[in-house]
Amino acid sequence: EVQLLESGGALVQPGGSLRLSCAASGFTFSGPWMHWVRQAPGKGLVWVSRIKGDGSKTNYADSVRGRFTISRDNAKNTLYLQMNSLRAEDTAVYYCAKDYSNWATDVWGQGTTVTVSS
Amino acid sequence: QSVLTQPPSVSAAPGQKVTISCSGSSSNIGSYYVSWYQQLPGTAPKLLIYDNNKRPSGIPDRFSGSKSGTSATLGITGLQTGDEADYYCGTWDTSLSAGVFGGGTKLTVL
Repeated sequence: EVQLLESGGALVQPGGSLRLSCAASGFTFSGPWMHWVRQAPGKGLVWVSRIKGDGSKTNYADSVRGRFTISRDNAKNTLYLQMNSLRAEDTAVYYCAKDYSNWATDVWGQGTTVTVSS
Repeated sequence: QSVLTQPPSVSAAPGQKVTISCSGSSSNIGSYYVSWYQQLPGTAPKLLIYDNNKRPSGIPDRFSGSKSGTSATLGITGLQTGDEADYYCGTWDTSLSAGVFGGGTKLTVL
């Protein structure tokens, strides 16, 4: 069964850092692009970042560029999101998702909650 | 303010048909494929439509997608109460070099 399992969400103070992980299973992890998408409480989906299968290319939303870094360890079948200089507006459920075709994502994790508050 | 524009809500009776629109620009919908997602309350999004009009395995043909110019549409026929959910369109924006979603549409099956 294809599965994604996020972890690492927590309550963190403004200006702090956090690293999210997404453990993948059931597919060849090194193949597809992988994405992070977030959803603030009661709000819509917002795309955050993506990384190519071999890790050679990355893209970021303007709102996180320079603060967040996406990476992957294909040997460990794990996707990461390093989040620095966190702001209150980064508070959200963070989902990792597997690319399927032309940016569409067919497998999503259950999400991990990040709360930025003092 | 989302890059893609969707109506905040739509409603229809069980058994009826509904359409949800998604409006963008030449740098996103006009030049790339559109996908659609269903998000039931408290759950992760689920892919309904990819590459404008294709359905992943397991998605019933009650769900359909189309695209024309800088707009896309999701159609749902034979509405069921279980279809009540938030629906999102999404695509790649070639100018932003970033993914973009619509603001979401809440479907109510009356």
